[in-house]
Amino acid sequence: SQTIHQWPATLVQPVGSPLSLECTVEGTSNPNLYWYRQAAGRGLQLLFYSVGIGQISSEVPQNLSASRPQDRQFILSSKKLLLSDSGFYLCAWSVGWSGAKNEQFFGPGTRLTVL
Amino acid sequence: KNEVEQSPQNLTAQEGEFITINCSYSVGISALHWLQQHPGGGIVSLFMLSSGKKKHGRLIATINIQEKHSSLHITASHPRDSAVYICAGASGSRLTFGEGTQLTVNP
Repeated sequence: SQTIHQWPATLVQPVGSPLSLECTVEGTSNPNLYWYRQAAGRGLQLLFYSVGIGQISSEVPQNLSASRPQDRQFILSSKKLLLSDSGFYLCAWSVGWSGAKNEQFFGPGTRLTVL
Repeated sequence: KNEVEQSPQNLTAQEGEFITINCSYSVGISALHWLQQHPGGGIVSLFMLSSGKKKHGRLIATINIQEKHSSLHITASHPRDSAVYICAGASGSRLTFGEGTQLTVNP
């Protein structure tokens, strides 16, 4: 069966520090991968999606970046965190490529607090 | 204006009541997802539909493409149904999310 892992589960970082959140998927090949953020009291927002190794699409301009060094690994990074980067970060995957019409499976999330 | 609008924002019900959450969406959205987010933050996909109706246990999702409207119904609600319910519209390769509906079912 397929599983999706995210770590860390929670993270407290000072403003200006770097960030690296990791997401890995098991039990499937060539998944579509997504990074979402949920700011406090707000809805989910798509940050990045990837259809293959090294292929990243950015949805919103920000100081975050994403990379996909392996088929089932998706990394969200920042060189210098801002207060506004605080939120709940979710990784998700889906099978196949018919856009977002395929069911997406979400990871457990990382709660990031920037102080 | 968000492409996906949900209502109500908050909903409190007594155990056993029939629940309806509504979602309206704009042109260009080809499918609707219904998601459930538990207090710890974890998200579970409930339904993905582009036409008609789907049923899973006590949950029913319907979509009216002409009216660009979808509803999520919960029959015989239970306190364990308490969660945030989110609808998301699929357009191309992206999902656009509603703000979510906080459902509280009291015993």
